[in-house]
Amino acid sequence: DIQMTQSPASLSASLGETVTIECLASEDIYDILAWYQQKPGKSPQLLIYDASSLHTGVPSRFSGSGSGTQYSLKINSLQPEDFASYYCQNGLSALTFGSGTKLEIK
Amino acid sequence: QVQLKESGPGLVQPSQTLSLTCTVSGLSLTSNSVSWIRQPPGKGLEWMGVIWSNGGTDYNSAIKSRLSISRDTSKSQVFLKMNSLQTEDTAMYFCARNSYYFDYWGQGVMVTVSS
Repeated sequence: DIQMTQSPASLSASLGETVTIECLASEDIYDILAWYQQKPGKSPQLLIYDASSLHTGVPSRFSGSGSGTQYSLKINSLQPEDFASYYCQNGLSALTFGSGTKLEIK
Repeated sequence: QVQLKESGPGLVQPSQTLSLTCTVSGLSLTSNSVSWIRQPPGKGLEWMGVIWSNGGTDYNSAIKSRLSISRDTSKSQVFLKMNSLQTEDTAMYFCARNSYYFDYWGQGVMVTVSS
């Protein structure tokens, strides 16, 4: 199965800052990658698909990039509602998730 | 609009079988695929398996021997059965619409494995 290594596990940042979360696949996943946001007690919500396409209704301060085995999620100008956990997900095979990144307010 | 809702027992005894139902609305199971995903308390997401729109299934290799996913298209329901439950199977269980990605999720159902 394809393994997804996500970093960092946790991140502390201030309102208005820009942060980046990384995801490394164990083999080429041809940009078939998604990012999700999950708030406590809620279901995950799709943010980005196909590595860089913004899902409907997602603010433009979220962006995704990468190719091959290396991908990243960037959040510009952090807002209070952005403090949550984030997961990458390989959509190529076995649909594995990264281990998650908890974004906390500094 | 598309909705998914999980249901099932909140408590299961060790070694017993878990049975969950995902009831969908706003979509047809003959043209949409549905996955089960779980999340132990305080931990990350684990994809468990999928039933494709054609009725075929794929499972996470780590739990494949214990897991079965089926459906009743006339009732718009997807079923999960997992046997030989242990305490480490305690988790929130979600169903989600599945293309390459999961764009609609249920609210989840918490399952605790305990005697």
